[in-house]
Amino acid sequence: GQQVMQIPQYQHVQEGEDFTTYCNSSTTLSNIQWYKQRPGGHPVFLIQLVKSGEVKKQKRLTFQFGEAKKNSSLHITATQTTDVGTYFCAGRARGSTLGRLYFGRGTQLTVWP
Amino acid sequence: GAGVSQSPRYKVTKRGQDVALRCDPISGHVSLYWYRQALGQGPEFLTYFNYEAQQDKSGLPNDRFSAERPEGSISTLTIQRTEQRDSAMYRCASGTGGADTQYFGPGTRLTVL
Repeated sequence: GQQVMQIPQYQHVQEGEDFTTYCNSSTTLSNIQWYKQRPGGHPVFLIQLVKSGEVKKQKRLTFQFGEAKKNSSLHITATQTTDVGTYFCAGRARGSTLGRLYFGRGTQLTVWP
Repeated sequence: GAGVSQSPRYKVTKRGQDVALRCDPISGHVSLYWYRQALGQGPEFLTYFNYEAQQDKSGLPNDRFSAERPEGSISTLTIQRTEQRDSAMYRCASGTGGADTQYFGPGTRLTVL
């Protein structure tokens, strides 16, 4: 069945260091979304990637979707304490533009000042 | 405007009791999703509605779980004969149905004693 794996599970960085989380699917995805969940909060949508090889940037965040549409990454440049939280990727199965999302386990980011 | 709301925010019940969890989506949102999220895990898909039609219920763990959205707005997730393993955070999300960014609610923390 469809599975989305995400690594690492935890990442601790010093403020100013970079951070990357990786997402891998067992099957080809239609699209992939990224969410951020602050401690005690709920997931908040960050971005959606649809095209093979797509790269999108949001200020210090860079999102990539692999050529085969089976993997994705989120890179944060020069982390800040406001980046603390758990980052989830969530993919849709090939052929589906709506409906069920398969979430990864998330990467919990801690930023030390 | 108002976001997704869920009630109750916390529910403690005894094993064997039925519970009903309510989700009030963002006004005008056509898609509505239910997820279950265990501590340290990503949201796990339960079911999905487009307007009032339940499009996918493949994530419901067993027949004790059911959901409805009779008028295409508010939705109720019902768990019959609750068991301790049902204890989790239950999250609702709504979307416009287009690009289908999902807007999550604050969740209902269910504890089954």
